[in-house]
Amino acid sequence: TQLLEQSPQFLSIQEGENLTVYCNSSSVFSSLQWYRQEPGEGPVLLVTVVTGGEVKKLKRLTFQFGDARKDSSLHITAAQPGDTGLYLCAGAKTTDSWGKLQFGAGTQVVVTP
Amino acid sequence: EAGVTQSPTHLIKTRGQQATLRCSPISGHTSVYWYQQALGLGLQFLLWYDEGEERNRGNFPPRFSGRQFPNYSSELNVNALELEDSALYLCASSFPSGANVLTFGAGSRLTVL
Repeated sequence: TQLLEQSPQFLSIQEGENLTVYCNSSSVFSSLQWYRQEPGEGPVLLVTVVTGGEVKKLKRLTFQFGDARKDSSLHITAAQPGDTGLYLCAGAKTTDSWGKLQFGAGTQVVVTP
Repeated sequence: EAGVTQSPTHLIKTRGQQATLRCSPISGHTSVYWYQQALGLGLQFLLWYDEGEERNRGNFPPRFSGRQFPNYSSELNVNALELEDSALYLCASSFPSGANVLTFGAGSRLTVL
């Protein structure tokens, strides 16, 4: 059973379009992270959010942590082919369990030129 | 600077055999984490080692075991292999404080026939 549910499972869009990936749970998390994984590689950390309601922006990527710290979203503006990959959200239940992450099953994003 | 390195890249075993996977952390990192990424299930936390000690363990049977050596490298052993053990095994490392920053290796793909 996945504690973190990601939606959609798969997203295919054209270059220049926007997209949003959701990560939801009934549990509260101390912090939540987003990773991107490409074929043949391990996940690469994109961002960590720790405060309810927090919004972080990294260039064209916007990450939001829900007020109740149970959900998060990742929004990509003007997607590019280089944004293609498997996006994973992961949460830590407590502040001292940062290494014992609960991962969502992932959202496969494909951006075509 | 070298990243997290894992070996072997691929391993094929038959049911009932034993598999040993190895991980070398980033220089200066003393914490090592193991995750299993099975198809469609997302990453599942396996083990966490800190300074040679097992700090935390996920919900896996005892036939999954590991250790961390004085040079902080780590080994994951899986005994009595079952078909469902087929997965990508990912190792990550971090500084002792963690700070929510895990760096993953590319993984070892274990196939059990």
